[in-house]
Amino acid sequence: NAGVTQTPKFRILKIGQSMTLQCAQDMNHNYMYWYRQDPGMGLKLIYYSVGAGITDKGEVPNGYNVSRSTTEDFPLRLELAAPSQTSVYFCASRSGTSGSVGAGELFFGEGSRLTVL
Amino acid sequence: TQLLEQSPQFLSIQEGENLTVYCNSSSVFSSLQWYRQEPGEGPVLLVTVVTGGEVKKLKRLTFQFGDARKDSSLHITAAQPGDTGLYLCAGVRNYGQNFVFGPGTRLSVLP
Repeated sequence: NAGVTQTPKFRILKIGQSMTLQCAQDMNHNYMYWYRQDPGMGLKLIYYSVGAGITDKGEVPNGYNVSRSTTEDFPLRLELAAPSQTSVYFCASRSGTSGSVGAGELFFGEGSRLTVL
Repeated sequence: TQLLEQSPQFLSIQEGENLTVYCNSSSVFSSLQWYRQEPGEGPVLLVTVVTGGEVKKLKRLTFQFGDARKDSSLHITAAQPGDTGLYLCAGVRNYGQNFVFGPGTRLSVLP
């Protein structure tokens, strides 16, 4: 079972460049999330989606964009990369519907380590 | 400002020792989850606690949700090197619409 697949695993960008982090899940999950993880700061939510065609901002959306044209894919685009975007990015998905007590499990990809120089 | 605080930030112990890590907040959550993350990998769910005062056991790990659903603890009995990792708590708001993660406790169990 593939689960959540992220590409690339590593990338170095120059300031001002743009790129897209890819995320795909094969579990038919409605909910998908993008987080960034910085040392000692835990996981911060960038964007999330509750289904195809629906996205919303999380805690730290500035400098990023997302789209959700299919259930399976949730790419994260970085426009005009800045050193502050150096981080490890995690995509996650979960099944379940809003309103359920005891939220379902988040399934994470292996992460994409991005360095902006 | 962290919505969820975890303590201690780092913990290094010998194999066989017991330990407790804590997750605290001023906010009420509909449920709380604990994840473990190993280097180079994404977090993996250990447990979800839903009811205030709830206690769940997973082999040598015991999880407790505070009565007011604002805090939680994770106790490990007779720690083993395989328990080494980053332990993250996540408060769930709006019945799963949003997960708020703490900064984590990095545990190292030495053989």
